[in-house]
Amino acid sequence: EVVLTQSPGTLSLSPGVRATLSCRASQTVPANYLGWYQQKPGQAPRLLIYDASTRATAIPDRFSGSGSGTDFTLTISRLEPEDFAVYYCQQYGNSLSFGGGTKVEIK
Amino acid sequence: EVQLLESGGGLVQPGESIRISCAASGFNFGDFAMSWVRQAPGTGLEWVSSVSRSGGDTYYAASVKGRFTISRDTSRDTVYLQMNRLRVEDTAVYFCAKGEGPHDFWGQGTLVIVSS
Repeated sequence: EVVLTQSPGTLSLSPGVRATLSCRASQTVPANYLGWYQQKPGQAPRLLIYDASTRATAIPDRFSGSGSGTDFTLTISRLEPEDFAVYYCQQYGNSLSFGGGTKVEIK
Repeated sequence: EVQLLESGGGLVQPGESIRISCAASGFNFGDFAMSWVRQAPGTGLEWVSSVSRSGGDTYYAASVKGRFTISRDTSRDTVYLQMNRLRVEDTAVYFCAKGEGPHDFWGQGTLVIVSS
């Protein structure tokens, strides 16, 4: 089983600044099959990034994904008020698994 | 418009069974694998199970293997999750998701509570 560890657990930031979220895998993720999701309270997750760096349909370009192998990053270039939420990474290259999440909260 | 509509959740006692459903529309159901993902109260996402496009291949998380069964009915564009020998720790919102990763569409979830 591929275990995904996300850090930090909580990120306290102000609107307009850059957010950097990390996702580390316990073993190499085949073909960099890694995605990022955003979830707000009471809602289903929304796909932001797939295959490590490809933005999903209608996702603003302030969201970007990078990384390969075991280390992946989601960057939000300038936080908008609607970006405060919980973010999850998921690998789908070796069965499926999710990270524990990073909460981005308003400072 | 793609829609995934879960149903069938509710309150059950430990050891009992329940079947939840997910009705799909707005896409060619037979062209995509389907998955179930759950979220226990106040916690993160956990993949539960996936079924291939044909229904011939099924996959399960270790925590549910041998107790849960995923299936699909292409004539009804519906995917099911039969959950047997339920435990308190199975309490969660169960989301239906299109594909076997990445999931570009999700339902709103159905709540299953396992409690005596």
